[in-house]
This record gives sequence, structure tokens and C-alpha cells, in this order.
Amino acid sequence: AQKITQTQPGMFVQEKEAVTLDCTYDTSDQSYGLFWYKQPSSGEMIFLIYQGSYDEQNATEGRYSLNFQKARKSANLVISASQLGDSAMYFCAMRAGTRGSQGNLIFGKGTKLSVKP
Amino acid sequence: KAGVTQTPRYLIKTRGQQVTLSCSPISGHRSVSWYQQTPGQGLQFLFEYFSETQRNKGNFPGRFSGRQFSNSRSEMNVSTLELGDSALYLCASSSQTWTGMNSGNTIYFGEGSWLTVV
Repeated sequence: AQKITQTQPGMFVQEKEAVTLDCTYDTSDQSYGLFWYKQPSSGEMIFLIYQGSYDEQNATEGRYSLNFQKARKSANLVISASQLGDSAMYFCAMRAGTRGSQGNLIFGKGTKLSVKP
Repeated sequence: KAGVTQTPRYLIKTRGQQVTLSCSPISGHRSVSWYQQTPGQGLQFLFEYFSETQRNKGNFPGRFSGRQFSNSRSEMNVSTLELGDSALYLCASSSQTWTGMNSGNTIYFGEGSWLTVV
């Protein structure tokens, strides 16, 4: 069964420091994609970063980077130089399956990040 | 480039009523998916439409339905509303549907529609 696990329900980080949000995944498929989304209290799900299972380099998008360790089935999100506006829920998600499968996103339960001034 | 637009943003309905939510995907995107988010169940997949055809469906009762128009706009409908249908309904847009390959097609979400059933 496909599953995403986020073990940190809540995290605190000091402004301007870096923070790592954990994500482990479970799938027997060779081809899959991993996503991170940010959800502020307004509800909008904001795309942050994507990593494909065959990508050899870790994905980076501005202050966001994805620490992809395929053998350990982990896809941790690293946010550098945290800002107050980074306070939100963060979801790790996976899209996997062979052709003909649903291919829908499977989400973890999320991590609530609070940035302290 | 406009993002995914969902309307209405907030609505309150009474048990037994029905509701229709609308989603306009990013221009050029043909895949629209719907997700339900509740505190208890988290984010759950409802269904996906691609080129006006329902491609996939999650594990929800038949009261939940949807459709997609030729301009890729999508609507979802919930009939005979129950208190448990209170949730944030998120629409997601992508340029392609899942092909089983390592697709890099990013999936973008809208702001969601907050539904409260009383």
C-alpha cells in the first residue's frame, strides 16, 4: 500500500534559521513523484517543490530544497532562512502507480511549522 | 498566468440540501482533480476529470459527483448533504493526467471552498 508518513505534528523554528520537515514514503512502484505543499490558515494549498523518483539531483526551489534519499524512502523538506510568513501547515504528498492506476496524490497528515521572531 | 480559481469560497448549507462547487483550472490544463480535507480524515481524493471524462474516482458515496466542461472548467456536486460533509474542498489542476510514468507535471491547487453543513 502507498503511504506517506510525517512524524512531526508541530515544529518551531527561530526566524532566519533553517528547518527540516521529515517525510517518509512507502510504495512498491519504481516510478513516482514526491511533492511538498504549504497550506496557510486561508486554506490554499501552495506548491513548493517536486522530486521525481528517477531524478538524481535533489530538487531546489529558492529557499526550499528536498533532501531525497531513495534507499531510505525519505523526502525531507529543508527551508533555509525561515521567515515569519513560513508559518503554516506543510504537507508531503506522493503520486505513484503503474499506468492505469489512479495516480492521485496521497498526502501525509502534515506538519505545523511555527516561525518565532 | 491565472491560478486555479474556486467558487464559492465559503458557504453554509442545511442537511439534506445539495451543493455545487466550481473550479476553473490554469489555462491550458486539462486535468482537474478534487480533494476533500477534514480534520479527522485529512486530504482524500474524490475524483479526477480529464478532457471531460472522469478518469478516476476515490472511495466516496454516489452523493458526490462531478463533471468537466469543454473549456476544462469543472464542477462537483454533493447531494443530500450530511453533517460529515463539512470540509474544505480543494480543486487541483494539471496539464496531463497520470500516465504511469515519472511525470514531472506539477499539480496546482486552488484556494478551496469551505463548506459548512448545519
